[in-house]
Amino acid sequence: AQSVTQLDSHVSVSEGTPVLLRCNYSSSYSPSLFWYVQHPNKGLQLLLKYTSAATLVKGINGFEAEFKKSETSFHLTKPSAHMSDAAEYFCVVSVSNTGKLIFGQGTTLQVKP
Amino acid sequence: SAVISQKPSRDICQRGTSLTIQCQVDSQVTMMFWYRQQPGQSLTLIATANQGSEATYESGFVIDKFPISRPNLTFSTLTVSNMSPEDSSIYLCSVPTGLETQYFGPGTRLLVL
Repeated sequence: AQSVTQLDSHVSVSEGTPVLLRCNYSSSYSPSLFWYVQHPNKGLQLLLKYTSAATLVKGINGFEAEFKKSETSFHLTKPSAHMSDAAEYFCVVSVSNTGKLIFGQGTTLQVKP
Repeated sequence: SAVISQKPSRDICQRGTSLTIQCQVDSQVTMMFWYRQQPGQSLTLIATANQGSEATYESGFVIDKFPISRPNLTFSTLTVSNMSPEDSSIYLCSVPTGLETQYFGPGTRLLVL
């Protein structure tokens, strides 16, 4: 069975400093992995996705994630946080050939001025 | 990409009543999904709705409580029946659009008193 674990429920950074949101996955086959962002009172937006192509995936708004099979990780990073990055971030794995998504518990990113 | 709309955007309901949530997509899609996001929680898949067949429910969700209709390839409804305060959540529909990308509707915020 597939699952994802987000290692931090809350991350706080200062504006202009790097962001690291950690995600480990469990899958019996090569997974498809995603990061979604949810701003307060807004819908879910796809940040980036990994679907067995390049292991370093670049997304929107300067975010990127690296798929590391040996570590079963898919951490999300950004070199410099912006106040507008404050939101809830979800690491997600898809269940093969079903279209179903399994969400991690979410990480709240706080960006301090 | 897909443009998804949901109605209503929010509602406040009395316990014991039912609410039907609509999901409209701007293109024809085979599969649609319904998710629930309880307050402060992550998203959980309720069911998969395929046009022309009965919806498939995930463990913990039953048709009597969450009946789903899928009359055509662009529309679906989810009904939350005999509501209790525990049903207070955000309900989201989503559609996959190739390459395992999934787009989400803006959600319906439900408060049950």
